[in-house]
Amino acid sequence: DIRVTQSPSTLSAFVGDRVTITCRASQSVTTWLAWYQQKPGKAPKLLIYKASNLESGVPSRFSGSGSGTEFTLTISSLQPDDFATYYCQQYHSYWSFGQGTKVEIK
Amino acid sequence: QVQLVQSGAEVKQPGASVKVSCKASGYTFSNFGFIWVRQAPGQGLEWMGWISAYNGYSSYAQKFQGRVTMTTDTSTTTGYMELRSLTSDDTAIYFCARSEAYQLLATDVWGQGTTVTVSS
Repeated sequence: DIRVTQSPSTLSAFVGDRVTITCRASQSVTTWLAWYQQKPGKAPKLLIYKASNLESGVPSRFSGSGSGTEFTLTISSLQPDDFATYYCQQYHSYWSFGQGTKVEIK
Repeated sequence: QVQLVQSGAEVKQPGASVKVSCKASGYTFSNFGFIWVRQAPGQGLEWMGWISAYNGYSSYAQKFQGRVTMTTDTSTTTGYMELRSLTSDDTAIYFCARSEAYQLLATDVWGQGTTVTVSS
C-alpha cells in the first residue's frame, strides 16, 4: 500500500497570506495525485488533479506542483472561504489519503 | 445535472450489518462506477473500495476485505455498500463518489454522506 503523509497537520494564517501544504508518498506515484478541500459535514471538493491541473471552477489562487514522491499545494492569497481542511490523495495504486491539513484563521 | 444521493442516517447495534445506497442520476450509469470512502468523527478520509458499474469488477481495501460488499443495480442506477460485523470503530460518515468504469482517478462527483452510528 502507498502511504501518504501531509505536513503540517494544522496551519494558522491571516487572510491574504501565501500558504503551502506538502504531501509525500511512500513510493513514486508519478503525477497521480489530487488535492481536495473539505468543510465540516460536507463531502470533499476536488481542487487539483494530476498534481498540477486546476479543476474547472476552482479559483486560480490554488495551484499544485510536484511529481514522484513530493508534492505541494499553494494558495497564493488566502481568502475567508479557504479556511477548511485539505487532503492530498494518491491514485497511482487504488486510493489513499494524507491525514489532512487544517487551515485556521490566525 | 450529475448527482449522487445517499440514503439516510443509520443507527446499528454492534455485530449488525448496514447497507448504504447511492442513487446516481444525470449520466450514463454503466460508463462509471462507485468509490466508497469513510470518515470517522474528527478523523481523516479512508478509502474502502470501488466497484465498476460496467462489469461489476470490485476491489476492496485490505482492511475491509471479508467484511464489505459493494454492488450496483443498473435498473435503479444505484450503488450499494454493505458492511458487516459492525463495531463502534465503524461509526463514521460514509461517502460514495463516482469513479471511471475501468480505473480509479480523482473525482469531483460525491454523495452528501451517510452517518452510521454503531452503539448498544
